[in-house]
Amino acid sequence: DAKTTQPNSMESNEEEPVHLPCNHSTISGTDYIHWYRQLPSQGPEYVIHGLTSNVNNRMASLAIAEDRKSSTLILHRATLRDAAVYYCILRGGSGNTGKLIFGQGTTLQVKP
Amino acid sequence: DTAVSQTPKYLVTQMGNDKSIKCEQNLGHDTMYWYKQDSKKFLKIMFSYNNKELIINETVPNRFSPKSPDKAHLNLHINSLELGDSAVYFCASSQDKKVANTGELFFGEGSRLTVL
Repeated sequence: DAKTTQPNSMESNEEEPVHLPCNHSTISGTDYIHWYRQLPSQGPEYVIHGLTSNVNNRMASLAIAEDRKSSTLILHRATLRDAAVYYCILRGGSGNTGKLIFGQGTTLQVKP
Repeated sequence: DTAVSQTPKYLVTQMGNDKSIKCEQNLGHDTMYWYKQDSKKFLKIMFSYNNKELIINETVPNRFSPKSPDKAHLNLHINSLELGDSAVYFCASSQDKKVANTGELFFGEGSRLTVL
């Protein structure tokens, strides 16, 4: 599975947008980009995923670079509840094992 | 109703004991997983079952034995517990085993195992 690189930590102010970057320079053409987050003392929670086009859902937006070597998770208005570890994960489109490989993620702190 | 539920939430036991963690999902999913999160917070997959069939076994010691009586349940039994087994164990499920394009794993809240 291709590797992802994320900053260890980021800070944001409440009600401001947050852009969480992820580099995946060795991504293959069939790899999907997944984002999960883990709130304190909880299990990971799915956020969003995409292949080539930008994606929006009720939680966040995913902006994927044209060459697909990087992506950005966008939280449009951070709330205190968004403080969590955010994981960027690549999954092969041809894979059928359902295995997610979690890296260290980005710890997001949200200041009131 | 909790989608993926694990019991117990906390488990404290002595080295050498045998213990089990139970997991149930009410989402009608075909695939279930066990992940382990160690003290450094890294999450690693241990096992995956699809319709009661083992499809992933990540070189976990054979003291760990998953058991799936039906596709809604995946229990984890651990024999001869060691100090290094202390961790948080997460159960998860997905609609099918092809996570890449269906996207979503649903995780339980975790079971914190402490081995003394």
